[in-house]
Amino acid sequence: AQTVTQSQPEMSVQEAETVTLSCTYDTSESDYYLFWYKQPPSRQMILVIRQEAYKQQNATENRFSVNFQKAAKSFSLKISDSQLGDAAMYFCAYSLRTYKYIFGTGTRLKVLA
Amino acid sequence: DSGVTQTPKHLITATGQRVTLRCSPRSGDLSVYWYQQSLDQGLQFLIQYYNGEERAKGNILERFSAQQFPDLHSELNLSSLELGDSALYFCASNPGYTGELFFGEGSRLTVL
Repeated sequence: AQTVTQSQPEMSVQEAETVTLSCTYDTSESDYYLFWYKQPPSRQMILVIRQEAYKQQNATENRFSVNFQKAAKSFSLKISDSQLGDAAMYFCAYSLRTYKYIFGTGTRLKVLA
Repeated sequence: DSGVTQTPKHLITATGQRVTLRCSPRSGDLSVYWYQQSLDQGLQFLIQYYNGEERAKGNILERFSAQQFPDLHSELNLSSLELGDSALYFCASNPGYTGELFFGEGSRLTVL
């Protein structure tokens, strides 16, 4: 089955601290993309970071980085120096060569001042 | 701004009615996806079009239908509306490969 599991429905982090959101996925394909999307209270879906499965190097975007473990099918998101504006729902997703996109159920991140 | 435009942004209607949601993809994008997101829920895939043709179908109700026109804009038609259809409906587009999806701001439908 093609699934994405985000086992943490909700997480909290102190402002300026670091937090890691977990994501595991299941696919038999070897070529795919992985994504983290952020959905703030405005409910706009915003791409945070993407990772091509064939690349071993972990993607980074400023304060956001991933830990991609292909064999373990794990794709966690680390947010460093958390800011109040990082408070949002975060969705992990992957896409296949069949153009199918699979989304997780989301992790709600609260940032405490 | 993702470049994907959805109209209307908000829509309030009554049960039993029919509505049409419109999506204009990013310039050059051939593929359009429709998703439904109920309150505090994840994204439910409804349907995908590529260059005017249906490519994939998810858990789309028979009361719902969609199409993509020659100019690549897409419409999602929802009929015989029920209270449970109240949700945020997203359109997303990409050029047609497996890169990221670019989402519109969504159309918030409220059925009373």
